[in-house]
Amino acid sequence: GAVVSQHPSWVICKSGTSVKIECRSLDFQATTMFWYRQFPKQSLMLMATSNEGSKATYEQGVEKDKFLINHASLTLSTLTVTSAHPEDSSFYICSASGAGGDYEQYFGPGTRLTVT
Amino acid sequence: AQSVTQPDIHITVSEGASLELRCNYSYGATPYLFWYVQSPGQGLQLLLKYFSGDTLVQGIKGFEAEFKRSQSSFNLRKPSVHWSDAAEYFCAVGASTGTASKLTFGTGTRLQVTL
Repeated sequence: GAVVSQHPSWVICKSGTSVKIECRSLDFQATTMFWYRQFPKQSLMLMATSNEGSKATYEQGVEKDKFLINHASLTLSTLTVTSAHPEDSSFYICSASGAGGDYEQYFGPGTRLTVT
Repeated sequence: AQSVTQPDIHITVSEGASLELRCNYSYGATPYLFWYVQSPGQGLQLLLKYFSGDTLVQGIKGFEAEFKRSQSSFNLRKPSVHWSDAAEYFCAVGASTGTASKLTFGTGTRLQVTL
């Protein structure tokens, strides 16, 4: 149980275009979802926290107009990188946490974004 | 704000040898502590977690960790390493947001296993 999927697993886009990444909890309801960014050989940096039906809370230094997060249902959150630039190339990982006081986060397999 | 320090960037051990990965945390209250493993190009897999209770925690794949409040540490151990354990290991501390735990990760320790 507690499986989280991400789609796509790998995407290449041209500079100036937008790309959407989906994160789904497959077998549980995720009241909270998290989006992380990971640069090569570095740790995960939390970008934002989203609760179903509410606006996302962004970490300091993360541009909310560039990284649009939508958590429209208890099983789906999306991250849209708008007007992507090469410096946005990174590994994006989502995680999901269920209700009922379960503080564990279940991680998706990640999405590798390359902006050319 | 919470923080995590993993002092060892890279560790090499021989297959069959014991392993200890260090983790120190900073947090004002009782922490939620986690160890995750990441294989190249993959997401994170939870090895074990500590919320409360017994300070020696057993996890998957033969790993264990001990919470030591006096030392603010949560070191990960395995008595006999297998070649398949080669990966990146992350320690994380969680702070409750009400219904979830917001995680802060350490910088990771890359484990190399020699045959």
